[in-house]
Amino acid sequence: GENVEQHPSTLSVQEGDSAVIKCTYSDSASNYFPWYKQELGKRPQLIIDIRSNVGEKKDQRIAVTLNKTAKHFSLHITETQPEDSAVYFCAARGPGTRNQFYFGTGTSLTVIP
Amino acid sequence: NAGVTQTPKFQVLKTGQSMTLQCAQDMNHNSMYWYRQDPGMGLRLIYYSASEGTTDKGEVPNGYNVSRLNKREFSLRLESAAPSQTSVYFCASTRLAGGYNEQFFGPGTRLTVL
Repeated sequence: GENVEQHPSTLSVQEGDSAVIKCTYSDSASNYFPWYKQELGKRPQLIIDIRSNVGEKKDQRIAVTLNKTAKHFSLHITETQPEDSAVYFCAARGPGTRNQFYFGTGTSLTVIP
Repeated sequence: NAGVTQTPKFQVLKTGQSMTLQCAQDMNHNSMYWYRQDPGMGLRLIYYSASEGTTDKGEVPNGYNVSRLNKREFSLRLESAAPSQTSVYFCASTRLAGGYNEQFFGPGTRLTVL
C-alpha cells in the first residue's frame, strides 16, 4: 500500500515568517493530496487539497505544491499568525473506487508571537 | 446539518470488555471511514466502507469489526478490548468513492482501556 512520510514533526516560527511542511509518498498512482489542520482536542479539518494533474494551488496565505516525478508535495503558509498554531497532516489517496486515504504522522506548528 | 456525529465522546473500558462506537452522517455521503489517532503516528485507517453494503480492511483492522448499517451509519465494534486499543477514534465520510472529495471528520471518541 501507500506510504506517506511527513517532515518536520515539529516546527516553530516567529509570527509573520513562513512555514513549510513536506511530505513524500510512495505510490505513483496516488492522485489526490489533501492537507488537514487539527487544533488541540478538535477534529481534523481540510485546509487545502491538490489533484495530481495540478502543480500548485493557492488559497490566500496557504499554498500547496506537488512534484509528481519526485513524489513529494509541500504545504506553504506565509505571514504566519498565532492562530495557525496546530498540527498539520498531509494525506494521499490512491486511484479507483476504493478511496483509501493514507496520512502522514503530522507536524506540530507553533507560531511565536 | 449536523455533519458527522459520533457517540460516545469518552469511554473507559476494562480489558476484555466489548463496546460499539457509533457514527452517523447526514450529508448523503457514500464512503465512510474509521481511523485511530495515536501520538506521533497520525491517523491510521481501521476499516472503511466505499459504499453502502461494502466494507474493507484498512491498515490496522485487527481487534475490530464494522457494520455499515445503512447509508448514514457506520459502527465500529471492539469485541474484547485491549490496552493497545487506547486511542482517539475518528469517523469520517466523503461524498463519493474515487472522486476528489473532502473528507469530513466527526468530533472523535476518546477511549481508554485499563
